Amino acid sequence: RKEVEQDPGPFNVPEGATVAFNCTYSNSASQSFFWYRQDCRKEPKLLMSVYSSGNEDGRFTAQLNRASQYISLLIRDSKLSDSATYLCVVNRNNTGKLIFGQGTTLQVKP
Amino acid sequence: NAGVTQTPKFRVLKTGQSMTLLCAQDMNHEYMYWYRQDPGMGLRLIHYSVGEGTTAKGEVPDGYNVSRLKKQNFLLGLESAAPSQTSVYFCASSYGSALAATYEQYFGPGTRLTVT
Repeated sequence: RKEVEQDPGPFNVPEGATVAFNCTYSNSASQSFFWYRQDCRKEPKLLMSVYSSGNEDGRFTAQLNRASQYISLLIRDSKLSDSATYLCVVNRNNTGKLIFGQGTTLQVKP
Repeated sequence: NAGVTQTPKFRVLKTGQSMTLLCAQDMNHEYMYWYRQDPGMGLRLIHYSVGEGTTAKGEVPDGYNVSRLKKQNFLLGLESAAPSQTSVYFCASSYGSALAATYEQYFGPGTRLTVT
């Protein structure tokens, strides 16, 4: 079993739709959680950190459920520019080492 | 502010050849990392460094060596390239200290390596 698991998709949604991704992690000692965005053939870029209380940044909302060991990302009012791969990332045991999920691909269509 | 840069951007090697990938960061970050990304596998950590003069193995270190002689540079070496090392290689850096570590990683643009 992979330490961080994501549904690879692709998720195909129309502009304006709301879409949610889930990610599960297996190491209960994991301390920090992130969502990164990666455009085709580009480097990953931090989208948002995920805090215990949940956090929101504009159209994006991230939630953490430690009891069930999953992280979610909600995107409201999807834009064409949101088309990308979204990587779920976990900091194992509060070290500097991040564990990446394989990513979930989102395609937003007109 | 250049952030994290990588050279070269593309390279084709024959099996058995050697090469060095260079990563440079101008953010005064302590931690630096080398990852490889393959289809369906996500990013996998090859080696990392928590400070100048230190290196440590990651998840997939075999066939690679690294050096961190200067804080701003992290070199990844392939001594005898194999087709299985065909991949996209990303370097990253982050702040980090025992007292106040923050692990947001900033990535370079990647090096696309093909080994034939």
